[in-house]
Amino acid sequence: EDQVTQSPEALRLQEGESSSLNCSYTVSGLRGLFWYRQDPGKGPEFLFTLYSAGEEKEKERLKATLTKKESFLHITAPKPEDSATYLCAVGNFGNEKLTFGTGTRLTIIP
Amino acid sequence: DVKVTQSSRYLVKRTGEKVFLECVQDMDHENMFWYRQDPGLGLRLIYFSYDVKMKEKGDIPEGYSVSREKKERFSLILESASTNQTSMYLCASSLEREGWVEQYFGPGTRLTVT
Repeated sequence: EDQVTQSPEALRLQEGESSSLNCSYTVSGLRGLFWYRQDPGKGPEFLFTLYSAGEEKEKERLKATLTKKESFLHITAPKPEDSATYLCAVGNFGNEKLTFGTGTRLTIIP
Repeated sequence: DVKVTQSSRYLVKRTGEKVFLECVQDMDHENMFWYRQDPGLGLRLIYFSYDVKMKEKGDIPEGYSVSREKKERFSLILESASTNQTSMYLCASSLEREGWVEQYFGPGTRLTVT
């Protein structure tokens, strides 16, 4: 059974204080690892897809990296508008389903 | 731009009522999904569909059914709503093609069953 564990559950940072969010996964055949951003009361917004170990993707202050066991979402010099819950999910070869983690709730304090 | 819409943002129903949640996507995606999201449990897949009139059970299908009569529309039905079905319901869609593709989500429907 595929599993995704995200840590920490919650993270509070000062504006400009860089940090990383972790997503550890277990999957029989990784078809893709996905990062989403979710604002309160809204649906998840797609950020990145990573397909293989060593791959990196960047978008503004966010950079996602992937190893064979985990992914990191690095946030550089965050701003208050980066406050959200960040979700990680994995896809498995052989089916169309994604397995989601429970997310990291990020708060950036001005 | 990718667009997934859901029929209601907030819904309040009574126990035993039949509830319809509708989802529409305008991207010509083959795959559509229904999830529920609860605090501490993350997103859990209820049902998905990979083609018109085709459906597959997800991880928690009990108490739910679905309908997909047109490619762009995927409905979730609660035959007899119960209080434990109070949740945020999220619809998503994805394009079927070589390699893996991301799912795009709608805004969600917050359902309260009293």
